[in-house]
Amino acid sequence: EVVMSQSPATLSVSPGERAIFSCRASQSIANNLAWYQQKPGQAPRLLIYGASTRATGIPARFSGSGSGTEFTLTISSLQSEDFAVYHCQQYNKWPPWTFGQGTKVEIK
Amino acid sequence: EVQLVESGGGLVQPGGSRRVSCAASGFIFGSFYMGWVRQAPGKGLEWVANINKDGSEKFYVDSVKGRFTISRDNAKNSLYLQMSSLRVEDTAVYYCARDWNGLDHWGQGTLVTVSP
Repeated sequence: EVVMSQSPATLSVSPGERAIFSCRASQSIANNLAWYQQKPGQAPRLLIYGASTRATGIPARFSGSGSGTEFTLTISSLQSEDFAVYHCQQYNKWPPWTFGQGTKVEIK
Repeated sequence: EVQLVESGGGLVQPGGSRRVSCAASGFIFGSFYMGWVRQAPGKGLEWVANINKDGSEKFYVDSVKGRFTISRDNAKNSLYLQMSSLRVEDTAVYYCARDWNGLDHWGQGTLVTVSP
């Protein structure tokens, strides 16, 4: 099973600042990584797939990078609607698909 | 517009059974793998099961093997998760999701609570 680890657990950011999230896989997953945003009481929403491709309708301030075992999600300028939990997920070696434990972005 | 709508959640006693359903619309249902993902209260996401386009291949996380069954009815554009021998630790919101470049569309979820 591929174990996904996200850091930090919580990120405190001021509106307008850049936010950077990390996700690490326990073994190489090529670029088969997705990022999701989840707001309280809502279902997750796909942001990024293939490690770096934005999903339909996702603003350009969201970008993903990385391959192999190290991945990064960057929000270039945090907006009020971006305060949420961000999850990474690998879909390279499955079953099982595995998720990271999530990073919560809170207002600084 | 792609829509996934889950139903069937509720309160179940330990050892009991429950079937949750997912009604799909806005896309050719039979052309996509589909899956279930759950989220226990205050916890992260956990993939539960996946099914291929025609229902001939099914995959499960180890913790539900032998207890849960995923199925689909392409004529009815519906996905199902039959859960039996339920445990307290199965308490979660169950989401259905379309399997395409990750999980590109999700339903709103249905809460299954397993409690005496």
